[in-house]
Amino acid sequence: NAGVTQTPKFQVLKTGQSMTLQCAQDMNHEYMSWYRQDPGMGLRLIHYSVGAGITDQGEVPNGYNVSRSTTEDFPLRLLSAAPSQTSVYFCASSYSGTSGHNEQFFGPGTRLTVL
Amino acid sequence: AQTVTQSQPEMSVQEAETVTLSCTYDTSENNYYLFWYKQPPSRQMILVIRQEAYKQQNATENRFSVNFQKAAKSFSLKISDSQLGDTAMYFCAFMKILVLGQGGKLIFGQGTELSVKP
Repeated sequence: NAGVTQTPKFQVLKTGQSMTLQCAQDMNHEYMSWYRQDPGMGLRLIHYSVGAGITDQGEVPNGYNVSRSTTEDFPLRLLSAAPSQTSVYFCASSYSGTSGHNEQFFGPGTRLTVL
Repeated sequence: AQTVTQSQPEMSVQEAETVTLSCTYDTSENNYYLFWYKQPPSRQMILVIRQEAYKQQNATENRFSVNFQKAAKSFSLKISDSQLGDTAMYFCAFMKILVLGQGGKLIFGQGTELSVKP
């Protein structure tokens, strides 16, 4: 199993450009999520999905869009990049439910810089 | 809303000694999970230990153990026999138990940067 994969690992954008951060998992997890990590603030939830076709907003959703057309993939779209979106982005996945099998597996992260 | 607070931005410990990282949280929920994640310089998030709130017994994983005080809403991590490879950022995280099919949203603390010195 590859686990959770993210591409690209690094990206530099100019203000106003758009791009998509890719996330894929091969563990058949229902739950997937995107976090951003900023210095001194820990990780904050952007968007999450409890299954194909279902997405919802997290703590800091503004400026980001997501979709979930398959169980495996959960891309994060920046429609018009802003310097405030400079951050490290993590994708995570887990089983969904209350059984305790809810450990979230994280991807390696994408470091995004917006100039 | 739930919040997680780690009041120690940085800590250091000598190799082979013991160190305790603090975490407090605020919630009105009765059933939840608490986690400690490790983030080494590679940036990878690694689960260190997990505690279910309904369990009174403190979780342990080899050299890592927690002191879970539910009434005080405290969840500290003790690392025994510290090793150089323990050098990392450590995050405390809270997750509310949701109904089946809703997964879980993690709420993270700000992190504690731990340095293990030879």
